[in-house]
Amino acid sequence: EAGVAQSPRYKIIEKRQSVAFWCNPISGHATLYWYQQILGQGPKLLIQFQNNGVVDDSQLPKDRFSAERLKGVDSTLKIQPAKLEDSAVYLCASSRVGGMNTEAFFGQGTRLTVV
Amino acid sequence: DAKTTQPPSMDCAEGRAANLPCNHSTISGNEYVYWYRQIHSQGPQYIIHGLKNNETNEMASLIITEDRKSSTLILPHATLRDTAVYYCIVRARTYKYIFGTGTRLKVLA
Repeated sequence: EAGVAQSPRYKIIEKRQSVAFWCNPISGHATLYWYQQILGQGPKLLIQFQNNGVVDDSQLPKDRFSAERLKGVDSTLKIQPAKLEDSAVYLCASSRVGGMNTEAFFGQGTRLTVV
Repeated sequence: DAKTTQPPSMDCAEGRAANLPCNHSTISGNEYVYWYRQIHSQGPQYIIHGLKNNETNEMASLIITEDRKSSTLILPHATLRDTAVYYCIVRARTYKYIFGTGTRLKVLA
């Protein structure tokens, strides 16, 4: 089966600009996650969707970050305006609904550099 | 959410078994232990997960202690391609995966 698709793979922007990332999960996967991974650290969960509803966005900096998952399939993550500390890899993952006994699959990520 | 503790780094000789430990002393009865690895510049890759019993698949074996407070991931015959950061995760009740800093495994030729 096809994996989690993310685009773009790389993005360089200036601070205060806006940027958007796109994720297409594995077909049939109702749960979708966005993670931020800063160099040298483990991934940090930003937001979790189940279908098109938000399950957890407690770690999302809502003053500048937003995410949506229209129609419960694809998702976009937006940053506006970007700060230097937003430089990181943004990872998307998806999993089936099935309680705690279902694994998540990750995409290759989008590497963002803010200059 | 239960937290995990892993050694920051380990070395293993190629062809030998790599045993990666993880402590999760605050794990709850219905929480699963998951292992992922991340090879440089790639997204995390699922390896294995378990609840109580030992588990084995084509990639690795997972040994969970009887009290469930710790576990060990075993790569039976490590190769250079197994060099990666390995994350032990206790999956939270809201089904999210909380990553720590992981163990950086280096397989030596």
